[in-house]
Amino acid sequence: AQSVTQPDIHITVSEGASLELRCNYSYGATPYLFWYVQSPGQGLQLLLKYFSGDTLVQGIKGFEAEFKRSQSSFNLRKPSVHWSDAAEYFCAVGAKEYGNKLVFGAGTILRVKS
Amino acid sequence: EPEVTQTPSHQVTQMGQEVILRCVPISNHLYFYWYRQILGQKVEFLVSFYNNEISEKSEIFDDQFSVERPDGSNFTLKIRSTKLEDSAMYFCASSELEDTEAFFGQGTRLTVV
Repeated sequence: AQSVTQPDIHITVSEGASLELRCNYSYGATPYLFWYVQSPGQGLQLLLKYFSGDTLVQGIKGFEAEFKRSQSSFNLRKPSVHWSDAAEYFCAVGAKEYGNKLVFGAGTILRVKS
Repeated sequence: EPEVTQTPSHQVTQMGQEVILRCVPISNHLYFYWYRQILGQKVEFLVSFYNNEISEKSEIFDDQFSVERPDGSNFTLKIRSTKLEDSAMYFCASSELEDTEAFFGQGTRLTVV
């Protein structure tokens, strides 16, 4: 069965510090990988995506993620966090073999302290 | 920038009532989806829709649920007889092709009382 694990429920970082949010997946097919961000009461905004090619992908708002097939991971990073980055972050996995439905992780809530 | 639009943003309904959640996907997109997020839980896939028919549905999507594309722009989710456990945020999404990213709407928060 397909599954996505985000091991950290909450993460708190200081403004200006670096950030890494972890995502591991278990999938029986070549995955498409996504990170979405959700601010309170808001919808899901796509931060970045990986379909194929370069395993380091750049997204909006200064985020990047690296696909590591050997570790089944797609961790999200940002070199310097801003207070406006406080939100909930979801890793999601899809695959053409599974009709492109997305399987989401449980989310990681990011708190930014000044 | 094109976006997926959902209405209403919040709906309160009595248990047993029918509700229709509405979505306007991005205009050139061909694949449409509904997901839901019960408060404090994961976002869960409900159904995907392509070429005027359901292409896949989850176990959650039982006979109480239906989807429709009544015209060239709207995509609706109907819950025939709502239960308390249907209370959730419902997200509509669309993608241009099967293997392109899905864009999500802002969601409809459904509260069943």
